[in-house]
Amino acid sequence: QAQLVESGGGVVQPGTSLRLSCAASGFTFSTYGMFWVRRAPGKGLEWVAFISSDGNYKYYGDSVKGRITISRDNSENTLNVQVNRLRTEDTAVYFCARGKGYSGSDFDAWGQGTLVTVSA
Amino acid sequence: NFMLTQPHSVSESPGKTVTISCTDRSGNIARNYVHWYQQRPGSAPTTVIYENNKRPSGVPDRFSGSVDSPSNSASLTISGLQTDDEADYYCQSYGSSTFWVFGGGTKVTVL
Repeated sequence: QAQLVESGGGVVQPGTSLRLSCAASGFTFSTYGMFWVRRAPGKGLEWVAFISSDGNYKYYGDSVKGRITISRDNSENTLNVQVNRLRTEDTAVYFCARGKGYSGSDFDAWGQGTLVTVSA
Repeated sequence: NFMLTQPHSVSESPGKTVTISCTDRSGNIARNYVHWYQQRPGSAPTTVIYENNKRPSGVPDRFSGSVDSPSNSASLTISGLQTDDEADYYCQSYGSSTFWVFGGGTKVTVL
């Protein structure tokens, strides 16, 4: 059974950077596209970033484009995201999620999320 | 850019049926599959309907999905409402220029 465990959240000041990680197990990580999705307090789910199974394709949501980098290490079964120049509106629970292998698929496995609070 | 619009909230009594709509204002709901997620407070989302109308293993058949192209809407129907169904529900789809898009979410309250 697929398991995803996020880490790296915390309280950070505006303008700083943060790196989140997601440890994957229970499936062949290197064959799945992976995502970061966030939910801000009082708001809905928002797709943030995607990386293809081989790491060659990366796409970002408009609200974070230019400030975010997604990466993966298939040898370590780890997904990462670095968010730079953090803003208060980046405060959210960040989830890593797995896609099924085609662009229009659902996210069929999720981690429990890690909370990022951006506050002075 | 396409957007998916959902009602903010719906409420109904136990045993009744609720239907949540998800409208593509750009007018092309059939561009790709629509998926539905349930998110309870403090928990990760889980898929209740994928590819418009398919249920993952373990999701009861009280949950059903459909897409209506003329109205550019997808719907999630929960029949025989139970207190355990109280949660936020999100539709989600994919577009070649906007990529992965979620609806704003609908809070289901069981009275």
